[in-house]
Amino acid sequence: DTEVTQTPKHLVMGMTNKKSLKCEQHMGHRAMYWYKQKAKKPPELMFVYSYEKLSINESVPSRFSPECPNSSLLNLHLHALQPEDSALYLCASSQAENMNTEAFFGQGTRLTVV
Amino acid sequence: GNSVTQMEGPVTLSEEAFLTINCTYTATGYPSLFWYVQYPGEGLQLLLKATKADDKGSNKGFEATYRKETTSFHLEKGSVQVSDSAVYFCALVPGGYNKLIFGAGTRLAVHP
Repeated sequence: DTEVTQTPKHLVMGMTNKKSLKCEQHMGHRAMYWYKQKAKKPPELMFVYSYEKLSINESVPSRFSPECPNSSLLNLHLHALQPEDSALYLCASSQAENMNTEAFFGQGTRLTVV
Repeated sequence: GNSVTQMEGPVTLSEEAFLTINCTYTATGYPSLFWYVQYPGEGLQLLLKATKADDKGSNKGFEATYRKETTSFHLEKGSVQVSDSAVYFCALVPGGYNKLIFGAGTRLAVHP
C-alpha cells in the first residue's frame, strides 16, 4: 500500500464554520506534511510532523490547527477561514525525517471558503 | 537562500516530439533534486530524483542529470505521448532540511 488517503475530496465551508481535513497513510512513514496549493501555483509547505511531533510550522495563521493523533493519521482543523484560504490542501508522507527519500502525496482536498 | 527556477509554460508539443524543461536551482549545502508530476485533478507523484552531483534520475522515459557546475536539473524525454500532458514541478530538498521547495511548475500539453 503506497497510498496517502485524504478526506474529504471537496469541501465548501462558510467563514464561521469549523471543519477538519483528514489524512491517512499505512506505509510506516514517520514524517507527515501539509501543503497548500493555490491555482496554477506550486505547493507551499505549511506544517511538518516528525514522529508525531510538530517540527516545522511555516508561520501559518492560527485559524489552521494541525494534529497528529498517531503515526498513521494527520488532521488539519479549520476555523474562521477567509475566502483567500480557498486552495487545494495536500498531505504527504515520507519514510524518514528528511524528504531525500520519496515523498508520497495524497490527491488533496479542494477547499472553497464562502 | 534556497530556490528553484523553471522555464515558464505552457509547453505545447506534438506527439513523439522531444521534450526539455529547464530547471536551475540555488541552494545551501548539498541538495537533493526531484521532478514531480501532477496530472489534472490529482496530487503530486515523484517522477525521478538525484541525490548527488552527476547522478542521473530516470523513469518512464524521462531523464534528468544533476549538474552541480551549472546548478541545473533539466528534464528530458525523447518522445512524448498525449498521456504525458500534466504539470511538472522541479524541486529540491536543501541539505540538512526537511522540506521540499518547488519551482513554479511547467504545464505540458501534448497533442496527437
